[in-house]
Order: sequence, then structure tokens, then C-alpha cells
Amino acid sequence: DAGVTQSPTHLIKTRGQQVTLRCSPKSGHDTVSWYQQALGQGPQFIFQYYEEEERQRGNFPDRFSGHQFPNYSSELNVNALLLGDSALYLCASSLGLAGVHNEQFFGPGTRLTVL
Amino acid sequence: QKEVEQNSGPLSVPEGAIASLNCTYSDRGSQSFFWYRQYSGKSPELIMFIYSNGDKEDGRFTAQLNKASQYVSLLIRDSQPSDSATYLCAAFYSGGYQKVTFGIGTKLQVIP
Repeated sequence: DAGVTQSPTHLIKTRGQQVTLRCSPKSGHDTVSWYQQALGQGPQFIFQYYEEEERQRGNFPDRFSGHQFPNYSSELNVNALLLGDSALYLCASSLGLAGVHNEQFFGPGTRLTVL
Repeated sequence: QKEVEQNSGPLSVPEGAIASLNCTYSDRGSQSFFWYRQYSGKSPELIMFIYSNGDKEDGRFTAQLNKASQYVSLLIRDSQPSDSATYLCAAFYSGGYQKVTFGIGTKLQVIP
């Protein structure tokens, strides 16, 4: 049973650049959520995709955008990178949008460093 | 006020003792609560979830929920050095979309 996968593992960018992170959900899952985790903090919700649409968005600027493909995989794009965007970016997958049992499983994350 | 509050720790317990990790939440619409374990540099790993008042046991782990007090806890019995990690509490709402709000996490150190 394939778990959540993310690529790349690590990424180094400079300020002002753009980055794309990728996520494949756990087999059987159709919902993808993205989180940003700064050092020493809990994961902060960026947005969630279901049926190729952004269903919910956290308190992040428009520089953060995403996409979900028909195979349920997803991309997170960040434009005009700032030093403060340096963090671990986590993708979590789940099944559907309903139900209190709907646990999210996390991928290994992408460590983004902005210089 | 943060939506999910945890003491960042560190919480130090001797090997074999019971570790008690606590979490409070502010949104009464939260439907269920998840505990994740996160080792340094790794992604969160789901331990267990609870959605009904009372206790839920899974091996050495017991989750407790008190919705009236908006309080969630995780007990780890017979703590092992391998349990040393950061434990994240998350409040979950589902209804047309999913909203998951995490606390800052409590760092647990189990001393051999």
C-alpha cells in the first residue's frame, strides 16, 4: 500500500524565485492538504484540494497556489519567495471531505530553504 | 487565543513512567482530535484519534477527551526512550471541507 510521497526532498532557492512542490496521495485517497511547518512550530494549514478544486484555504497570501490533477496528485507553487518561506512543507492525504474518522496521513515533507 | 494550545515542553519522564500530554482547544465546532508523533526532521505520524467523550486506548497509548472542558490528553504508559519526540495535537472539523488545526506540539523526553 503506497503511502503519501513528496518530491523533492530538499530544495534551495533564492529570494524572488518560484518553486513547485509535488505530492502523490496515499493509495485510495482523493483529498490533499498542504501545510507549512516552520522550525519549532506546528503545521500551518495552507489549502486543501478535492475533486481538482481548492476547497479551503488558510491564512496564506496569493503567492501560494496549488493544483490537483485527475489522478489526485497535487502541486504547491510559491512565487516571489521570501526568506520567511523557509520551512518544511507537508502534504497530507485523506479520503473525501466528510466524516469524523477522516484522518490525514502525512508525506515525508519537502524542506525548502530560501537564501 | 490560539485555537489549539499545547505546552511546548520539554516534558521529561523516566523510562517506564506514564507521560501525560495535554491540549486545549477553543473551537467548540471541532469534531475530532488527533495525536501525531513527530521525530526531529521527520513528518508527523498519526498515533490515534478520538471523537467521543471519554477514553480511547490503543496499546500503550490512551487518548482522553472532555468536550465540556475543551480538553484533550494523551497518556503514554511504560514510556520508552524511543517515545522521545514532539507530540502534536490537532483539532478536526469536517463539513464540506476539512479544517485541521494543529497545536505547537509538546516535546517529550524519556530519560533512560
